[in-house]
This record gives sequence, structure tokens and C-alpha cells, in this order.
Amino acid sequence: DQQVKQNSPSLSVQEGRISILNCDYTNSMFDYFLWYKKYPAEGPTFLISISSIKDKNEDGRFTVFLNKSAKHLSLHIVPSQPGDSAVYFCAASGWGIYNQGGKLIFGQGTELSVKP
Amino acid sequence: DGGITQSPKYLFRKEGQNVTLSCEQNLNHDAMYWYRQDPGQGLRLIYYSQIVNDFQKGDIAEGYSVSREKKESFPLTVTSAQKNPTAFYLCASSILAGIETDTQYFGPGTRLTVL
Repeated sequence: DQQVKQNSPSLSVQEGRISILNCDYTNSMFDYFLWYKKYPAEGPTFLISISSIKDKNEDGRFTVFLNKSAKHLSLHIVPSQPGDSAVYFCAASGWGIYNQGGKLIFGQGTELSVKP
Repeated sequence: DGGITQSPKYLFRKEGQNVTLSCEQNLNHDAMYWYRQDPGQGLRLIYYSQIVNDFQKGDIAEGYSVSREKKESFPLTVTSAQKNPTAFYLCASSILAGIETDTQYFGPGTRLTVL
């Protein structure tokens, strides 16, 4: 039972254009969402997060959008740079689900390739 | 310089042997986690601990054991009972002080290969 899904295993984008990475979730109890970036053989790096009380959060070139009615979030990277090439994971958590905080459910990841 | 360290980076083990992966954090975080990543898959939770001397099984705990004797340390033992131990293991930590501070920060990982 995959509660967090990233249906696109890979995405290729030209340098300077927008990258849009998508993530869907099934559990309406999730109330905090995160995006991580991961290079091969390294640990994931936290990028940006959003609480369910918001529908948008922006940090520099990275913006996360949350559509609670559709149970969908997306990460926009503008402009895309070759250094953005990595695997991106979305993750979700919900205090009310597990009766405790901290547990994250991860999607399978989307490999982004930004071509010069 | 605060962070999470995992050692060693690469580990080789003979089939049938137990092996312990180290994870240390100096972020003064309350919670610590162990994940496993396999090719083409997301991160799967093995064990987590929210407080010293207490830990909980994650989604794939069989064949693994942990201890949390100190706040800054959370070692993971991969036992011979783990059927497919070859994987990339990631340790993470987080503050448990409200929903938006549940962000987990990861170490560099340990690649375990069973020969």
C-alpha cells in the first residue's frame, strides 16, 4: 500500500527551463510534506517543506505547491540548472496518524536530469 | 560543525555474519531513524527511536536490531537473519517539538555488501 507516490521515475529538462516534479498521496491525515534531493551514494538533503495549512511555500528557485483536495503536491524549480540533476523524493508525515510525530513516508523518487 | 556521521562508508560482510553500522549526531536531536534504500525504490523505515532507551520497529524491522543508550548514538545491527542485507543504509535525526520541526536530516549513508 503505497501512501505516497511519485509516478514519474524520471524527468529530463533543458537548462534554464522549469522543472516540475509531482507527488500524490492517499492519506488525508498527512499534514506536513517535504522534498529531499539525493545524489548517488549520498544521504538525502532537505530542500523545502510545506504544512497543510498552506498551499504554497517558496525558497529561492524552489517552490512547493499543495493541493489538499486533489491530495497532490508539486515541486517547481525555476530556472533549472545542471547541478539540480539528482533524485528527488517527496515525503509526508501526520501526527494524528501514528499518535506520535516524526515518522515520514517517502515516495519512490523521480530522477531529474537537467541538460545544458 | 553539527551533523550526522555514519561509518564506515562501505562495508563488506560474509554471509552468516552480523555487522553493526554506526550513526552519531551532534545536533541534540531527540529522534533518530534508520532507513534502507534499494535500487529504484524509496526509503523504507527499519527502526526509529524518539527517546533514549526506547525504540520502535518500522516497516521492515525483521533481521535488524538497534539500541539507543545515548541520545547522540543509534547503532544498527544487521543480523544473519536478514535475507537480503545488501543495500544502502541511511541514518537520520529530527527534533520532536511540533509538526513543522519533524524535518529529518540524513547522514551520508553506508553501503553494505554481503559477499
